[in-house]
Amino acid sequence: DTAVSQTPKYLVTQMGNDKSIKCEQNLGHDTMYWYKQDSKKFLKIMFSYNNKELIINETVPNRFSPKSPDKAHLNLHINSLELGDSAVYFCASSLGRTGQWTQYFGPGTRLTVL
Amino acid sequence: QKEVEQDPGPLSVPEGAIVSLNCTYSNSAFQYFMWYRQYSRKGPELLMYTYSSGNKEDGRFTAQVDKSSKYISLFIRDSQPSDSATYLCAMKSTGTASKLTFGTGTRLQVTL
Repeated sequence: DTAVSQTPKYLVTQMGNDKSIKCEQNLGHDTMYWYKQDSKKFLKIMFSYNNKELIINETVPNRFSPKSPDKAHLNLHINSLELGDSAVYFCASSLGRTGQWTQYFGPGTRLTVL
Repeated sequence: QKEVEQDPGPLSVPEGAIVSLNCTYSNSAFQYFMWYRQYSRKGPELLMYTYSSGNKEDGRFTAQVDKSSKYISLFIRDSQPSDSATYLCAMKSTGTASKLTFGTGTRLQVTL
């Protein structure tokens, strides 16, 4: 059973398009995250939701909009894609929102903007 | 200066060697320290998790935290080719909306 799953695994699209990435976790966790990993492997938090409430919103262009329909799902919609958005996007989840809870990562979505 | 510094490597060692991976950090609020392993084209997987200072051992892996020096280490004993991966240190504080802050990762290659 996959604990944290993401779709699609690969996404290739043209500049200016709008795309979405979906994430689902079956761990019973209540907190979910989106991270971006650039070409140098640096992982940086973008957003976090706890029980459908946005709790972390880093300095990210407002073309990126997360949405959490329930605590097992967190989607990421990106408008007007730019070349610099090319990266691997990871979803993660944890049991709680505070520091002591371990985060588990999904397999990633590799986004390439042409 | 980044909050967490990690030598990107690559680090190449022969099979059976002891590997030492390290990170330094600047934020004294960090209380939880983790090491993640990431294979090529995969998501990070948690290896070790430590709270505050001290050592933790799990099989061939030992994590050390020295909060006074703001320095953490991961030791891998009897390294295997299957240990070849990128190792990411990560840290977080105890805040109510605590986020993980990662190092840039060290790429390790264990050769036969």
